[in-house]
Amino acid sequence: DVKVTQSSRYLVKRTGEKVFLECVQDMDHENMFWYRQDPGLGLRLIYFSYDVKMKEKGDIPEGYSVSREKKERFSLILESASTNQTSMYLCASSQSNSPLHFGNGTRLTVT
Amino acid sequence: DQQVKQNSPSLSVQEGRISILNCDYTNSMFDYFLWYKKYPAEGPTFLISISSIKDKNEDGRFTVFLNKSAKHLSLHIVPSQPGDSAVYFCAASSRGGAQKLVFGQGTRLTINP
Repeated sequence: DVKVTQSSRYLVKRTGEKVFLECVQDMDHENMFWYRQDPGLGLRLIYFSYDVKMKEKGDIPEGYSVSREKKERFSLILESASTNQTSMYLCASSQSNSPLHFGNGTRLTVT
Repeated sequence: DQQVKQNSPSLSVQEGRISILNCDYTNSMFDYFLWYKKYPAEGPTFLISISSIKDKNEDGRFTVFLNKSAKHLSLHIVPSQPGDSAVYFCAASSRGGAQKLVFGQGTRLTINP
């Protein structure tokens, strides 16, 4: 069974801090994604990656960057956290065109 | 610009009855559609999908219907069970597969005993 693990369930950070959200998958999937979920807006794609060291912008990349140095790990970076980045962050992985498998999410609060 | 819309934030259904969740989309390039289910404190899990070459796909109690001319899809759950209570997200893709999904806002389904 596919396991997508997000390192933190809850994070509280201060405005201006640099924040790292880590995601690891154990099924050798090519594709990895970062979404954020907000009430009334559903899930919105921030960044995705089809291979190691490759990344593509999603629909809302502003204020974020990503890193994929190893196939199993996809990191989301908030260079300077702001209060409007308070959200639930969801990582997902997939193989080829198969459906996405999601982690349990990281709830980030920026104060 | 919300390309995938779920206009009902919530739905309440009696146990044993049919639950119908609706989803509309605006992008005619979408050719693959999925439904995900999300319990509190868990990530979304894949439920069922349909390609634009079909108008119906069935998996046990779950059936998805696609009306391309109306740009509308629906998820039918019959019979509804208490364990079906969750948030349901509709998603769409224009790449012929499940990549780079665009999600709707979600509908919270509550099944009453």
